[in-house]
Amino acid sequence: QKEVEQDPGPLSVPEGAIVSLNCTYSNSAFQYFMWYRQYSRKGPELLMYTYSSGNKEDGRFTAQVDKSSKYISLFIRDSQPSDSATYLCAMLGGSNYKLTFGKGTLLTVNP
Amino acid sequence: GAGVSQSPSNKVTEKGKDVELRCDPISGHTALYWYRQSLGQGLEFLIYFQGNSAPDKSGLPSDRFSAERTGGSVSTLTIQRTQQEDSAVYLCASSLAGRDPYGYTFGSGTRLTVV
Repeated sequence: QKEVEQDPGPLSVPEGAIVSLNCTYSNSAFQYFMWYRQYSRKGPELLMYTYSSGNKEDGRFTAQVDKSSKYISLFIRDSQPSDSATYLCAMLGGSNYKLTFGKGTLLTVNP
Repeated sequence: GAGVSQSPSNKVTEKGKDVELRCDPISGHTALYWYRQSLGQGLEFLIYFQGNSAPDKSGLPSDRFSAERTGGSVSTLTIQRTQQEDSAVYLCASSLAGRDPYGYTFGSGTRLTVV
């Protein structure tokens, strides 16, 4: 079992839809949870981050962490075509420098 | 510079040849990381530099892979005797310090194809 599991999709939704992306993990040492967005032929860019359990909201994006279930989610409200990208969850713990990534979910938002 | 710069952006090489991939981190960033992104796989950690030292090389897949960093700045990842399974996107990232979980900035990567 990989440390971080993420459904690769692809996921296709109409513009304006609510998108739910999620990851599960097995390593209890993870304390920092991040979501990266990666456009085609570009490097990942940090979108949201959360320390430990809880929710965090930033505009149309909400990140949730449930450490008891080892489950994290990213919600995108009012999705836009510009949100079309690969979304990668990433986690950090213990070493505090080595990110462990999910495989990424390819999202397409259709106008 | 304004961001992490990687060169070349694309590299096609013949099996068995050596390749060098270059990373220019953000000025002042002491920590530098190399990751590999293969088709269908997530990003896999390769190596971590703090200054010119590499305290963690645990992700390098074989002894054909090596990396160095000079002047606390530019880093080079070298792959000797390339194999087809080395085909991937090699991503470099830098951060202000090694314990800065939210401060990674990635470059756009080098897409390596071994034919």
